[in-house]
Amino acid sequence: DAGITQSPRHKVTETGTPVTLRCHQTENHRYMYWYRQDPGHGLRLIHYSYGVKDTDKGEVSDGYSVSRSKTEDFLLTLESATSSQTSVYFCAISDAGVAANYGYTFGSGTRLTVV
Amino acid sequence: EDQVTQSPEALRLQEGESSSLNCSYTVSGLRGLFWYRQDPGKGPEFLFTLYSAGEEKEKERLKATLTKKESFLHITAPKPEDSATYLCAVASPNSGSARQLTFGSGTQLTVLP
Repeated sequence: DAGITQSPRHKVTETGTPVTLRCHQTENHRYMYWYRQDPGHGLRLIHYSYGVKDTDKGEVSDGYSVSRSKTEDFLLTLESATSSQTSVYFCAISDAGVAANYGYTFGSGTRLTVV
Repeated sequence: EDQVTQSPEALRLQEGESSSLNCSYTVSGLRGLFWYRQDPGKGPEFLFTLYSAGEEKEKERLKATLTKKESFLHITAPKPEDSATYLCAVASPNSGSARQLTFGSGTQLTVLP
């Protein structure tokens, strides 16, 4: 998707290893989000950021941490990967300004498999 | 806590057979209801935002409507390229300073030629 890229697109990792997913935007949007998508659960918010070094927890934050040292980059780290973290991870951005319609722009996703 | 329920989970239509997807929501005060389209292997793509009951928006064969408890996505004379998963999401005062959205599980639409 234009303006937002996620890397890697696919990853297989072993249980207990740390994993970092990257989200990069070129839109200079203030807000960035990490969601996971699982069958039957829809999209669930993991963490979000409302500015550089400003982050907060979402609905399913256990086992995850995030960092945002620059406006354009938002990193999601699985501190010690477990099989329950096998999922598709989406990054989204929003400017959420006065005239914004709260619509997100999503990245293409990272498919993570923990074996 | 905001809740969003979409039905049906899956829908198969013949090309040209019009139908509707449902999104029921429970929020403390709706600040916006959003429809997204998601194709396999891709991220959701924004379609519409609705803010108040009675509002309607259209885009090609799609029309979204909103009441105080639910939204409908009407698909008129669908084509195979309309096949996708359609997601509904809400924003409310619970959404916080970062405007987090709460999503439903989606309706997987298949349009057969």
